[in-house]
Amino acid sequence: DAKTTQPPSMDCAEGRAANLPCNHSTISGNEYVYWYRQIHSQGPQYIIHGLKNNETNEMASLIITEDRKSSTLILPHATLRDTAVYYCIGVPSGNTGKLIFGQGTTLQVKP
Amino acid sequence: DAGVIQSPRHEVTEMGQEVTLRCKPISGHNSLFWYRQTMMRGLELLIYFNNNVPIDDSGMPEDRFSAKMPNASFSTLKIQPSEPRDSAVYFCASSRPGTTSPGELFFGEGSRLTVL
Repeated sequence: DAKTTQPPSMDCAEGRAANLPCNHSTISGNEYVYWYRQIHSQGPQYIIHGLKNNETNEMASLIITEDRKSSTLILPHATLRDTAVYYCIGVPSGNTGKLIFGQGTTLQVKP
Repeated sequence: DAGVIQSPRHEVTEMGQEVTLRCKPISGHNSLFWYRQTMMRGLELLIYFNNNVPIDDSGMPEDRFSAKMPNASFSTLKIQPSEPRDSAVYFCASSRPGTTSPGELFFGEGSRLTVL
């Protein structure tokens, strides 16, 4: 499984876009990039995932570089409720859900 | 729809006591996972089941820990005897069969265990 590297913390102003980077330079061709977040005292929550193409859903957008060595999770209009720890995880296509969580990025959305 | 349900939400016990944590996965999900979270080690996978069968228990710390899944709607994680270093938040998660998103897990709210 690819090792992922994320900054330990970031700040974002409420209403602005939050761009969370993730480096996964050792990712293999069949490995997906998954993003989860964990709001304080809650269980992790799935956000989005992608393989090669950029993806968008109701929560966020995921931009994956062409060489797939890095990606960016974008929360287009951050709110105070988006304050959480965000995890970027490499998941092989044959994986059965065995996620390996790193330390993640603590995003603080400020008023 | 009800999510993954865990009980108890909080447990305080004394060293040496038996602890049983319970999990009800989302109906129709066929994979179940037990994770543990501590400040020092973050989120760690302890064990996971597929169709009620344990597939990988390599993350179980030691023989004091055991997990069962007697049917598709219930699982337990037992610690006997408990030690202070077992203090953590224990999460249960489940996932759907035949999903095109193998890494998409649905987590419960966790059981916070404190062993004195």
